[in-house]
Formats: sequence, C-alpha cells, structure tokens
Amino acid sequence: AQSVAQPEDQVNVAEGNPLTVKCTYSVSGNPYLFWYVQYPNRGLQFLLKYITGDNLVKGSYGFEAEFNKSQTSFHLKKPSALVSDSALYFCAVRDGRITGGGNKLTFGTGTQLKVEL
Amino acid sequence: KAGVTQTPRYLIKTRGQQVTLSCSPISGHRSVSWYQQTPGQGLQFLFEYFSETQRNKGNFPGRFSGRQFSNSRSEMNVSTLELGDSALYLCASSLDAVANYGYTFGSGTRLTVV
Repeated sequence: AQSVAQPEDQVNVAEGNPLTVKCTYSVSGNPYLFWYVQYPNRGLQFLLKYITGDNLVKGSYGFEAEFNKSQTSFHLKKPSALVSDSALYFCAVRDGRITGGGNKLTFGTGTQLKVEL
Repeated sequence: KAGVTQTPRYLIKTRGQQVTLSCSPISGHRSVSWYQQTPGQGLQFLFEYFSETQRNKGNFPGRFSGRQFSNSRSEMNVSTLELGDSALYLCASSLDAVANYGYTFGSGTRLTVV
C-alpha cells in the first residue's frame, strides 16, 4: 500500500521569507511524487513532479522540491514567499512499479500555507 | 490547448436521486481518473480508465460507477444519493498508461445532496 503524510495542517510564513511544506511517503516500488496546489473552489494545479533523475526538482511559480530517498521525503520549498502563494498544498505519490495496473494517486491531507505581509 | 473540462460545475440533488458527471480530458490523453474530495476524508481515489477499460477502483460502494468512451471522455454515475456524497468530484487526465508526464486536473464538479 502507498501512503503520504503531511505533518503540518498549516504553515505560516512572512512574505519574502523562505517556505517549506513537508511531505513524507511510503511506497513499495520506486515513487512517483507530485505536488499540487489548490485555491478556494478550484481544482488542483500541478506544481512539480519527481519520477527519476536529479533529486532537486524545479517547478512552477518558483517552487522546488528535494527528493530524499533515505528519509522518504519530498519537501516543497520556495526561497521567497509571496502573499499570492497562500493556498492549500497537496503532496501525492504513485507506486512506479504499477506499469499496467493503473494510475492511482494517493494524496496527503494537505497543508494550508498562509503568507502574511 | 484546452485543459480538462468537467461539467457541470455545480449540482444540487435530493437524497435518493442519481447523478452523472462528465469529464473531457486533454486532447490525446487516454487515461482518466476520478477523485472525491471532502473536508473529512480529503482526496480519495474513485477509479481510473484507460482506453475504455477500468484499470483500478477505490474503496467506494457499488453506487459509484463510471465509464470511458472511445474519444476518452469519461462519465461517473452515483445512484441512490446520500447526504455523505456531497463533495467536490475531480477528474484528472494523463497522456500515457504510467503517467510519466503527470496528471492534469479539471476544476471539479461540486455536488450538494440535500
């Protein structure tokens, strides 16, 4: 079974400061990892993904994430937060072994990011 | 290019009724997945279709069903609606069978059961 943990329900950060949103995962095979952002009454917007390759992944809107296999983590980061980054962030995982069995994403519970002036 | 289109955006139904939601994936995408989002349970996987075949199903009762057409458009149906079915239903499409290029989500259908 695959699972994702986002240990913080909410993260508060001042505009201009760096931000980190934490994510750890559990999966049997190689992980496919994703970060999505959700604004109120909207769907999920893709930020970045890790499937293979460099452990540091750069994504949309200045976000990046670092894949750490030994710690089974995939924390989302941004060097300088903006008020407009305030939203709900979801980490998701898919077991990379399942080549023919379907595309099933397992999501974390989400972290509400609040960026204040 | 057009994104994933879900219709309708909002829906109000009465307990016991049935409902059909529609999802049009990005052109060329063959995999369509459905998710239910509620405040209590978060985002939960419903089912996934690839080339008109259901490949995976989540832990939902048989009242929840779906299908995919030859043009990759997908519908999900919920019969005998319950109050607890009130949720945001999200559809996601991906290009290939293993999502090497990721998933693109639609804006969702907000279903309210009264």
